[in-house]
Amino acid sequence: GNSVTQMEGPVTLSEEAFLTINCTYTATGYPSLFWYVQYPGEGLQLLLKATKADDKGSNKGFEATYRKETTSFHLEKGSVQVSDSAVYFCAHSGGYQKVTFGIGTKLQVIP
Amino acid sequence: EAGVVQSPRYKIIEKKQPVAFWCNPISGHNTLYWYRQNLGQGPELLIRYENEEAVDDSQLPKDRFSAERLKGVDSTLKIQPAELGDSAVYLCASSLDRGDTEAFFGQGTRLTVV
Repeated sequence: GNSVTQMEGPVTLSEEAFLTINCTYTATGYPSLFWYVQYPGEGLQLLLKATKADDKGSNKGFEATYRKETTSFHLEKGSVQVSDSAVYFCAHSGGYQKVTFGIGTKLQVIP
Repeated sequence: EAGVVQSPRYKIIEKKQPVAFWCNPISGHNTLYWYRQNLGQGPELLIRYENEEAVDDSQLPKDRFSAERLKGVDSTLKIQPAELGDSAVYLCASSLDRGDTEAFFGQGTRLTVV
């Protein structure tokens, strides 16, 4: 079936540290891949996306590359800030255009 | 441009009571989604509409949950009767089209069943 697996949190990093949040997926066909972010007290919002293999999505210093061979879409940022503290959700639009989410990874960045 | 609007933001009810949530999607968005998000989990799709047609309701517990999207614009999700396990955040989202395009989410309705 269609699923998304992402690393469980919480992830605690110091400011300016390097961030990686792993995400792998199973899906029929060739889904689009997304990272959504949920800041405290706010709704989910799209952070970045990639629609085909080898595409790189990027936004606000975050990047993720669509790796079809490893069915992965890992989120990275070279230098995190306190303001990046949030919950990050990996998702894909798999079969029948249904968007399936991972469980979310909470990131806490400390000064 | 207004985003996806949901109401109420919070609702506390006793078990066995009915409850309804309302969603107004972004103007012009044909696709509307209702998700349920349990604490510490990712959103799970309950139902997806293309205009006024429910095209995916396989995860909707139809014995107690119902939804409608009359005229293909705003939508309501109802639970009757509510159970303790229904406590969650109910999220509405809309997109211009299905699949590749971005889904925009409302802030959700946090339901507590006591």
